Amino acid sequence: DIQMTQSPSSLSASVGDRVTITCRASQSISSYLNWYQQKPGKAPKLLIYAASSLQSGVPSRFSGSGSGTDFTLTISSLQPEDFATYYCQQSYSTLSYTFGQGTKLEIK
Amino acid sequence: QVQLVQSGAEVKKPGASVKVSCKASGYTFTSYGISWVRQAPGQGLEWMGWISAYNGNTNYAQKLQGRVTMTTDTSTSTAYMELRSLRSDDTAVYYCAREAAVAGIAFDIWGQGTMVTVSS
Repeated sequence: DIQMTQSPSSLSASVGDRVTITCRASQSISSYLNWYQQKPGKAPKLLIYAASSLQSGVPSRFSGSGSGTDFTLTISSLQPEDFATYYCQQSYSTLSYTFGQGTKLEIK
Repeated sequence: QVQLVQSGAEVKKPGASVKVSCKASGYTFTSYGISWVRQAPGQGLEWMGWISAYNGNTNYAQKLQGRVTMTTDTSTSTAYMELRSLRSDDTAVYYCAREAAVAGIAFDIWGQGTMVTVSS
């Protein structure tokens, strides 16, 4: 299976901060990388697909970049509703669509 | 609106089986695949497998091979996930998710989740 490693595992930030979360794949996955946001007790929500495409209805302060093995999710100016856990997920290997372990974004 | 609605919480004993349903509405069911993803308490997301709602083809995560079966009923636009020989570490919230065909796939619509508790 392709392993997905996110960093950091947790992050404290303030409203208005610019935040970057990194996801690294154990082998090249081209641009087959998605990002999800999950709030406590809720299902995940798709934010970014194909590494850099913004899902419909997602605020433009969210952006994604990268290809190959290294990817980033950036939130340009944190809003109170952005405090959540973020997961990356690869869809390059159709044998197993693995997720990263998650990054918990907390209020400083 | 496009949505997936899952069946309610279950409590099962070790060794038993559970079958979770996921009813789709608001879109053409057979045009999309459905994946199942689970999340143990306080843990991350684990992909369990996929089923094509078009032809019933499946692909299961290797660690669940032999214990999981995914099916669909196109007459009711419902997907099912059955997990057998339940163990305590199968305690989790189980989600169904629609697969959108993008570069690769992405899970664009999710069910609300079904809590399955395995306890003696």
